[in-house]
Amino acid sequence: DAGITQSPRHKVTETGTPVTLRCHQTENHRYMYWYRQDPGHGLRLIHYSYGVKDTDKGEVSDGYSVSRSKTEDFLLTLESATSSQTSVYFCAISESSDEQFFGPGTRLTVL
Amino acid sequence: AQSVTQLGSHVSVSEGALVLLRCNYSSSVPPYLFWYVQYPNQGLQLLLKYTSAATLVKGINGFEAEFKKSETSFHLTKPSAHMRDAAEYFCAVSDPHGNKLVFGAGTILRVKS
Repeated sequence: DAGITQSPRHKVTETGTPVTLRCHQTENHRYMYWYRQDPGHGLRLIHYSYGVKDTDKGEVSDGYSVSRSKTEDFLLTLESATSSQTSVYFCAISESSDEQFFGPGTRLTVL
Repeated sequence: AQSVTQLGSHVSVSEGALVLLRCNYSSSVPPYLFWYVQYPNQGLQLLLKYTSAATLVKGINGFEAEFKKSETSFHLTKPSAHMRDAAEYFCAVSDPHGNKLVFGAGTILRVKS
């Protein structure tokens, strides 16, 4: 299995609070991605990174920001969480366009 | 822009029966195509991928898929379903030069004993 961990694995928070999710890889892959998974929508790309300090927006980036200061870490921040951001969040990594490897996911509930 | 349509959000088959999960894609460039499987409370695992080599692709756990350019399809099949195949399956398309995946909405496969 690709070495990808996500933390925390579960989080419950209140509307309006900031939340940061962490993705850590041990594979030294160039690309890292954050997705959210919601019933009936599959996985939708939030943000991705193509190198340290190089990031770009995905399909559903509003309300989210990311940072990548080291190859191995990719952080997703919800500046002010809303109930619509209740979801399961997946991190993925890849070295090329050939295949992405996924982490175990973080289940976030915003009350 | 690329897109993926998975026909049928839920598919139910009997154990031992043929599994057929449908995927149609839209892409302005020759695509790479993927099927991923997600077991309950887990991440996604790659089943198989098409990257412009053989059009019939064999994957793990006895699954295979055929790329049909004329039909813009990449349907997933397995001759004989097992109870352990019960999961959610996602089809995805990528631009070979773009490093991003676009996923379908997913199909939940139920296997009846």
